[in-house]
Amino acid sequence: KQEVTQIPAALSVPEGENLVLNCSFTDSAIYNLQWFRQDPGKGLTSLLLIQSSQREQTSGRLNASLDKSSGRSTLYIAASQPGDSATYLCAVVNRDDKIIFGKGTRLHILP
Amino acid sequence: GAVVSQHPSWVICKSGTSVKIECRSLDFQATTMFWYRQFPKQSLMLMATSNEGSKATYEQGVEKDKFLINHASLTLSTLTVTSAHPEDSSFYICSARAVWTANTEAFFGQGTRLTVV
Repeated sequence: KQEVTQIPAALSVPEGENLVLNCSFTDSAIYNLQWFRQDPGKGLTSLLLIQSSQREQTSGRLNASLDKSSGRSTLYIAASQPGDSATYLCAVVNRDDKIIFGKGTRLHILP
Repeated sequence: GAVVSQHPSWVICKSGTSVKIECRSLDFQATTMFWYRQFPKQSLMLMATSNEGSKATYEQGVEKDKFLINHASLTLSTLTVTSAHPEDSSFYICSARAVWTANTEAFFGQGTRLTVV
């Protein structure tokens, strides 16, 4: 059974710092991995999608990497801003088409 | 990106009544839609997978008679919470998978916050 773990569960950093969020998964037989952002009481905003054949994706200040063989992904946020404060969710798509989510990392950027 | 519209965004209902939540793919066809439930400060838990024109597949522990899912067309799936009770209060989110590729991105609705009083 696929399990997705995100570390840390919560993180507070001063504005301007670069930071890394971690995601690990137990079954490497995945189609792809997605990073999402969720603001309190809101739905999901897709940030980056990495196909299983890819190693990284970049969008603006965000960079996500994927090491499928070791079951790991990282989300790198450069020059953090208060508006980046949110919960970041990692999700993998299994070969059975099910999307399995981690519990998320609650990020707070201090002004 | 593709848009998934979920309605209503929030609903309050009395215990014992039923509530229907709609999930629509606005600019693409979705053969598969997924329904998730999220408790406060918890992750999304998959409830069921629905395929257009067939019965939904429910995850273990999810009562199919309580959470009725209908996927009547390639752009619409509905979740009906029947005889709702306060413990059904939660955040429900739908997701749709586009049909144009096999290895596709999933798009999510904005969620529905259900409060049963």
